Amino acid sequence: GAVVSQHPSRVICKSGTSVKIECRSLDFQATTMFWYRQFPKKSLMLMATSNEGSKATYEQGVEKDKFLINHASLTLSTLTVTSAHPEDSSFYICSAIRDTQYFGPGTRLTVL
Amino acid sequence: QKEVEQNSGPLSVPEGAIASLNCTYSDRGSQSFFWYRQYSGKSPELIMFIYSNGDKEDGRFTAQLNKASQYVSLLIRDSQPSDSATYLCAVKPSSGTYKYIFGTGTRLKVLA
Repeated sequence: GAVVSQHPSRVICKSGTSVKIECRSLDFQATTMFWYRQFPKKSLMLMATSNEGSKATYEQGVEKDKFLINHASLTLSTLTVTSAHPEDSSFYICSAIRDTQYFGPGTRLTVL
Repeated sequence: QKEVEQNSGPLSVPEGAIASLNCTYSDRGSQSFFWYRQYSGKSPELIMFIYSNGDKEDGRFTAQLNKASQYVSLLIRDSQPSDSATYLCAVKPSSGTYKYIFGTGTRLKVLA
């Protein structure tokens, strides 16, 4: 299967700070990546579609100014959680498209 | 609203038994179906996909698809405690987008 990495795997930050999460496709190029969040024991929630070279497409109810997505190359998409608050604490997972969706290992964000 | 439905479980089976996980979908034109396994605290991992009616076997896993009934299932033979996880059914919409519709997952417990 295809390899997708995420960095960092875990981050703890103070309220009001911004956090950047990277998603990389290691052995293939991905023009499309997806960003999900998942609360404990809950299902995946799609946040946005990241398109290389163009603006991300956000799902209804997801604040684009709070969750900034940049897909500047065919192997890298970043999600920046701006002015993080405790309610942003969650498990953030990216996926990249080759023949199907392959998920990164996830980033656990804790906002104090 | 396109939907994918799964019983949340938990489905408990004894070690060595066959575990049967089921999924129904509403988009009749869907062509591609995927099963992901998600261990607690980890991201989803693709285990099987199926496109054609009938059965597809891969080791201890068999995916079954019945498009007329809009039903897809996953059988796990000789279940092991290490198979204990949440299994997510995903459907690629008839529009062809890679924005899959995910079910909420079925939690499987294999009892030693």
